[in-house]
Amino acid sequence: EAGVTQSPTHLIKTRGQQATLRCSPISGHTSVYWYQQALGLGLQFLLWYDEGEERNRGNFPPRFSGRQFPNYSSELNVNALELEDSALYLCASSFTTGTRYEQYFGPGTRLTVT
Amino acid sequence: DQQVKQNSPSLSVQEGRISILNCDYTNSMFDYFLWYKKYPAEGPTFLISISSIKDKNEDGRFTVFLNKSAKHLSLHIVPSQPGDSAVYFCAASEINYGQNFVFGPGTRLSVLP
Repeated sequence: EAGVTQSPTHLIKTRGQQATLRCSPISGHTSVYWYQQALGLGLQFLLWYDEGEERNRGNFPPRFSGRQFPNYSSELNVNALELEDSALYLCASSFTTGTRYEQYFGPGTRLTVT
Repeated sequence: DQQVKQNSPSLSVQEGRISILNCDYTNSMFDYFLWYKKYPAEGPTFLISISSIKDKNEDGRFTVFLNKSAKHLSLHIVPSQPGDSAVYFCAASEINYGQNFVFGPGTRLSVLP
């Protein structure tokens, strides 16, 4: 069974540009989560999508946004990039909500803003 | 304000001995906890979970203990193996927020041969 996949692996952008990160969940999973892991820090929760709807978002500015498509894949968009947005962005998926399930993570996208 | 704390950034243990990784939380509404392991250049991998209705959960070499009154959980790895060397994250969620897990900053475990 294929795991969570993310693309691209690495992304280099300049300040002020926009970045788009993509995630494909494990087959059968309907929930997708996005996390940011800045250098030396833990995972900071960004966004949670389930069944195409945004269910919750972390303490990040509105320039971090995303969406979930009918096939449950997801996009994370970061507008007006700032240097401190440089981080590893992890996507995870799980079965539908209603109870608590462990989340399965992808390998991440390393975003570098110069 | 960190709701999930892992106060030891790193831990070194001899192969074959016990590794104990600790995690403290401040939110008394947390009722479901997980441990993840992360190798460099890979995403975190789920290890073990525990619900607040239990105080212990065991899976092979991994055991998680939960002390609700102290708002403390620990992960025991026995016996430790060099392949266990990784960063370990604990995560917690509360029933009102379902799958919204709060992660600790992680502890880097080094198992020395």
